[in-house]
Amino acid sequence: GESVGLHLPTLSVQEGDNSIINCAYSNSASDYFIWYKQESGKGPQFIIDIRSNMDKRQGQRVTVLLNKTVKHLSLQIAATQPGDSAVYFCAEKARGNTPLVFGKGTRLSVIA
Amino acid sequence: GAGVSQSPRYKVAKRGQDVALRCDPISGHVSLFWYQQALGQGPEFLTYFQNEAQLDKSGLPSDRFFAERPEGSVSTLKIQRTQQEDSAVYLCASSLGGGASDTQYFGPGTRLTVL
Repeated sequence: GESVGLHLPTLSVQEGDNSIINCAYSNSASDYFIWYKQESGKGPQFIIDIRSNMDKRQGQRVTVLLNKTVKHLSLQIAATQPGDSAVYFCAEKARGNTPLVFGKGTRLSVIA
Repeated sequence: GAGVSQSPRYKVAKRGQDVALRCDPISGHVSLFWYQQALGQGPEFLTYFQNEAQLDKSGLPSDRFFAERPEGSVSTLKIQRTQQEDSAVYLCASSLGGGASDTQYFGPGTRLTVL
């Protein structure tokens, strides 16, 4: 079946640097994309989302980019902080009452 | 305000035992979702409720898994005759409406270990 996946399983960055986490998806019917952050022992925490009619969306220190041509999604974190260390999941959803489909996750480690 | 809560946070069961996992969604949230998360993997959808109606149970792995939300609020996920492969974190999420892009807010999960 179609699924969401990630290019890199782990990412280590220096504190203060920018981080980029990538995600590839294969379901062309996907209409809505979300990034979640999951810290150890906790549930996924919503970070930012984007609809398929947009290419870019910005939040506080985070930006999500969507390239529908190559079915690619990325999360950019500016000035990465130790508190950003976690596993990041992208998830996608098609229209209607369809479930979220999560990728396997990327672990981000911030080096102080 | 209070987020999604789940209980118990940890459950150890012997193979063959039945377990019941509880989810208290955010007050007023119409939609409720259950996911299963294996170690090192992303959450996988199990089932979805809109109020008390179970609209999608396509992700339930077997007929040993059963979920209910009788009054449209608290939900219980029951697993009968647990097997070792049922060991995972079970996550509950709720969203305000039933819209396709309504944000899902997750609880902390229940870690089930089947011995």
